[in-house]
Amino acid sequence: EAGVVQSPRYKIIEKKQPVAFWCNPISGHNTLYWYLQNLGQGPELLIRYENEEAVDDSQLPKDRFSAERLKGVDSTLKIQPAELGDSAVYLCASSPRTGPAGELFFGEGSRLTVL
Amino acid sequence: AQSVTQLGSHVSVSEGALVLLRCNYSSSVPPYLFWYVQYPNQGLQLLLKYTSAATLVKGINGFEAEFKKSETSFHLTKPSAHMSDAAEYFCAVSDTKGAQKLVFGQGTRLTINP
Repeated sequence: EAGVVQSPRYKIIEKKQPVAFWCNPISGHNTLYWYLQNLGQGPELLIRYENEEAVDDSQLPKDRFSAERLKGVDSTLKIQPAELGDSAVYLCASSPRTGPAGELFFGEGSRLTVL
Repeated sequence: AQSVTQLGSHVSVSEGALVLLRCNYSSSVPPYLFWYVQYPNQGLQLLLKYTSAATLVKGINGFEAEFKKSETSFHLTKPSAHMSDAAEYFCAVSDTKGAQKLVFGQGTRLTINP
């Protein structure tokens, strides 16, 4: 079974440029998460989807970040414009069930460097 | 609000020695607790989870953790370290009520000395 797929793995951009990250979750997983992981820290939730609905986006900086999950499968996370402080790893994860006891399956992440 | 504190950002042990990674949590409701491992340039992988059944939880790769409510702890142990255990380890807590939202600790980097 294929895991969570993310692309690109690495992205280097100039500040003020836009960037987009793509995530394909495990087939059949209804719940999808985007996490931000700064260097030396644990992941922090940006947004959680149940199917195509964003049910928790309280930590998403909406002035520059946006996300979508059309048709409840793939998801895209966009930053426009990027700032130096956005340099981090963006992790996508999916889960086959709602509720607190489910396991999250993570992709390898997209590492962003903003110059 | 829930939170997790991992004591020690870096732990170094010799191969064959006991591994002990510490995690304390704060939660206003009975928690679910998790340990994830992250190898270099890879995503996080679940090691084990506590979901209010047995307090001693066994995971993959010989790891186990014990839930101690009185100490609000969920420390991760392995009797004998292997070189392949070198990685970053994250403790996480989830609310048992409502939808799943994992809150992660800052992580502990485990180094194994030959």
